[in-house]
Amino acid sequence: NAGVTQTPKFQVLKTGQSMTLQCAQDMNHNSMYWYRQDPGMGLRLIYYSASEGTTDKGEVPNGYNVSRLNKREFSLRLESAAPSQTSVYFCASSDPGSGLYGQYFGPGTRLTVT
Amino acid sequence: SQQGEEDPQALSIQEGENATMNCSYKTSINNLQWYRQNSGRGLVHLILIRSNEREKHSGRLRVTLDTSKKSSSLLITASRAADTASYFCATASSGAGSYQLTFGKGTKLSVIP
Repeated sequence: NAGVTQTPKFQVLKTGQSMTLQCAQDMNHNSMYWYRQDPGMGLRLIYYSASEGTTDKGEVPNGYNVSRLNKREFSLRLESAAPSQTSVYFCASSDPGSGLYGQYFGPGTRLTVT
Repeated sequence: SQQGEEDPQALSIQEGENATMNCSYKTSINNLQWYRQNSGRGLVHLILIRSNEREKHSGRLRVTLDTSKKSSSLLITASRAADTASYFCATASSGAGSYQLTFGKGTKLSVIP
């Protein structure tokens, strides 16, 4: 099992450019999440998908959109990147409905917006 | 907003010593979780303690939870150089909020060989 995979690993964007971060999990989890981590900070939730077909805003959703493509895949889109979105982005999955509350994280995408 | 706040922010110990990290939170929770993050890597789930539990063990890890004080502690016994990492507590609210984890800023642990 690969667990949670994310692409790309690194990305540099210019202000105003758009991009999509991809995430996939092979653990048959129902719930998936996108977080950002800034230096010296914990993780902050951007969006989550409790189950296939649903998405909800987290703590810091402004400037982002998400798509739960199917049970395995959950993508994060930056429509018009800003320097404030320079961060490390983590995708995670879990299955709270089955009592599996612990989240499994991907390796992260380091995004720099210039 | 940050729910959990870890203390200390940084901790440096000798190999073989025990390491204790504390976490305080503000609102009612369904469960509290501890995660480890090695430099440049994703987070790894270590242990979960439910709101009706007071203590839990997993290998060299011991977690306590005091809901009256809204605090938790993580003890790593007989530390190893490989335990060097940042440790985060995360809280899950009850009901629909249990899908969402709120993370603290972490404790950076350095274990000196």
